[in-house]
Amino acid sequence: DELTQPPSVSVSPGQTARIPCSGDALPKFYAYWFQQKPGQAPVLVINKDTERPSGIPERFSGSSSGTTVTLTISGVQAEDEADYYCQSADNSGAWVFGGGTKLTVL
Amino acid sequence: QVQLVQSGAEVKKPGSSVKVSCKASGGTFINYAICWVRQAPGQGLEWMGGIIPVLGRADYVQKLQGRVTITTDASTTTAYMELSNLRSEDTAVYYCARTTWEGGHYYGSGDWGQGTPVTVSS
Repeated sequence: DELTQPPSVSVSPGQTARIPCSGDALPKFYAYWFQQKPGQAPVLVINKDTERPSGIPERFSGSSSGTTVTLTISGVQAEDEADYYCQSADNSGAWVFGGGTKLTVL
Repeated sequence: QVQLVQSGAEVKKPGSSVKVSCKASGGTFINYAICWVRQAPGQGLEWMGGIIPVLGRADYVQKLQGRVTITTDASTTTAYMELSNLRSEDTAVYYCARTTWEGGHYYGSGDWGQGTPVTVSS
């Protein structure tokens, strides 16, 4: 019941960043995406696979296909540089997190 | 609007215990679950456990079984996480999050506390 993310993704400003997260249980449970900047608590940017919470910019979107969910940031801005974590549930009902992806804006 | 306010930073000796509080405001406390997550320095997020007040049930990650206890006090709308027999590797920021429990699992949530740093050092 693990979630696997790439350790790092790098993009230039204005480009599109895609961060995948794979896990065998993802077809059964919703996925969530968190943005975390240094010294701050995680912030939910995608709820239940594809929903964008109030206050999150439209450039953040989520998608799901089989055992992989993907966070897409269109038109990346410097302020989007952060760590991103996917989260879901495992078969025992507990939360499980991906290892995190460091997004670098070149 | 839900707000979760956690207790302040702690410094503890190895072998001692720490109890972190998480006071919730907004919504009906007993209708929700509370999860605890920790993050060691430079590391990722780790789920520690959760509690479902209406069921009186708590769940814990296997690696912390026997050392972690999660409780709630509905009269003060406060959740607590106590970790005993502290070790240096327990040094981390501890977060609470309010969520729901349905269909046998804890849903994700955007309602998190601000975090409580706990340092374990001799």
